[in-house]
Amino acid sequence: GAGVSQTPSNKVTEKGKYVELRCDPISGHTALYWYRQSLGQGPEFLIYFQGTGAADDSGLPNDRFFAVRPEGSVSTLKIQRTERGDSAVYLCASGLTENTEAFFGQGTRLTVV
Amino acid sequence: AQKITQTQPGMFVQEKEAVTLDCTYDTSDPSYGLFWYKQPSSGEMIFLIYQGSYDQQNATEGRYSLNFQKARKSANLVISASQLGDSAMYFCAMREVETARQLTFGSGTQLTVLP
Repeated sequence: GAGVSQTPSNKVTEKGKYVELRCDPISGHTALYWYRQSLGQGPEFLIYFQGTGAADDSGLPNDRFFAVRPEGSVSTLKIQRTERGDSAVYLCASGLTENTEAFFGQGTRLTVV
Repeated sequence: AQKITQTQPGMFVQEKEAVTLDCTYDTSDPSYGLFWYKQPSSGEMIFLIYQGSYDQQNATEGRYSLNFQKARKSANLVISASQLGDSAMYFCAMREVETARQLTFGSGTQLTVLP
């Protein structure tokens, strides 16, 4: 497809479990961003990749959260020992460069029960 | 301090009327970009319009225009001839070129267009 693709669209997991959320950016886009959006709030920055490297991970809330982008394309956000407070929509966005507009995927709605 | 402030949690507008959504920002970076996104109930964030801090003219994209007042640090979105499909959440965002690469978002404004 032409847009940013995120899978799964919905994920329900039990407290304490490990989850992986996948983002497939627009082909050729070097910048990739992860955001988290709680109900009624604006998206909150988590991490930004330029190519394969994490250029800024200052938004990751704690060490349970980790993200990779090994080949500079697909990215995976990994959450260990999930907590109920991790429940949110996780948005991925990509941009041609870091200075152009970012295009968002549909998001993954994570529910921790 | 909040970097992006949207003071209108909700707005109503009559169909075919124009509406202005407010956004003020705070930065010491001389180079920055301002963005508006629309988020309908489906959840997708749709890019609407961009204004660079050095742009001399206000950005326009179809029915969307950005009223950029640099001295006042405001970047209001104007939607002309509102349509029912414009009902959605609208987010203002900023990217500071020197100090950060990520977008920082405001809390959003829920716009409802009335028939």
